[in-house]
Amino acid sequence: AAGVIQSPRHLIKEKRETATLKCYPISRHDTVYWYQQGPGQDPQFLISFYEKMQSDKGSIPDRFSAQQFSDYHSELNMSSLELGDSALYFCASSFSGANVLTFGAGSRLTVL
Amino acid sequence: QKEVEQDPGPLSVPEGAIVSLNCTYSNSAFQYFMWYRQYSRKGPELLMYTYSSGNKEDGRFTAQVDKSSKYISLFIRDSQPSDSATYLCAMSETSGSRLTFGEGTQLTVNP
Repeated sequence: AAGVIQSPRHLIKEKRETATLKCYPISRHDTVYWYQQGPGQDPQFLISFYEKMQSDKGSIPDRFSAQQFSDYHSELNMSSLELGDSALYFCASSFSGANVLTFGAGSRLTVL
Repeated sequence: QKEVEQDPGPLSVPEGAIVSLNCTYSNSAFQYFMWYRQYSRKGPELLMYTYSSGNKEDGRFTAQVDKSSKYISLFIRDSQPSDSATYLCAMSETSGSRLTFGEGTQLTVNP
C-alpha cells in the first residue's frame, strides 16, 4: 500500500522567493499534520487539518499558509523565504485523529 | 526548558547489546507516548505506542512509561546493525493532537 507521498523531495530557492510543498495522505486518512525539522533538531509541529478544516496550529510563521483540499491532500505555501526556513518538512497523516501517524519521506527545502 | 528532554547521544554499542533509550518530560497532561525510528534522510517511523503508564513489548522492543516520574524508556534487546538510526520519543495530550518530540538519540550498532 502506498504511504504518505510528499513532493517535491528536494527544493532549492532563493531568499524572498516562494515555495509550495504538497502532501498526499494515505488513502482514507482524513487528518494531515505538517512538521518542520531543522538540521540535527527534533520535528516541530506547524499545523494540522482534519476533514479540510484547520484543527491545530503550532509554530508556523505568518509567512506560511496551508490548506487541505477535498481529496484530502494538503499544501504548505511558504512566502518571503528566509535562510532559516531551510529544513526538512514532513507531512504525516492519520485516520480520524488516531494517534498512529504515518510520516512521509519529507521535502528538503534549501534557501540560498 | 523544553517540554521533552532526550539525550542526543551519540550512542554506540556492539551487536547483541541491550540498548536503553530514555526521555523525560515536564507536561503532566501528556497521556500518549510513542517511539519513532528515523533513518537518515527518511521520515520518522512509528515503533511503539503506549497509553498512560505501563509496559509494552513488541519483539525485541520494550517501551516503559512511568507517569509518576515523567519518564519513558525504550529497550532494544539483541541489537542489530540494522537498528542503527535516530530514535525519537514523542508525546501528545490527547489522541490525534500534536506530537511533541524529543531531540532524538543517534544509535549505532557495530557488527
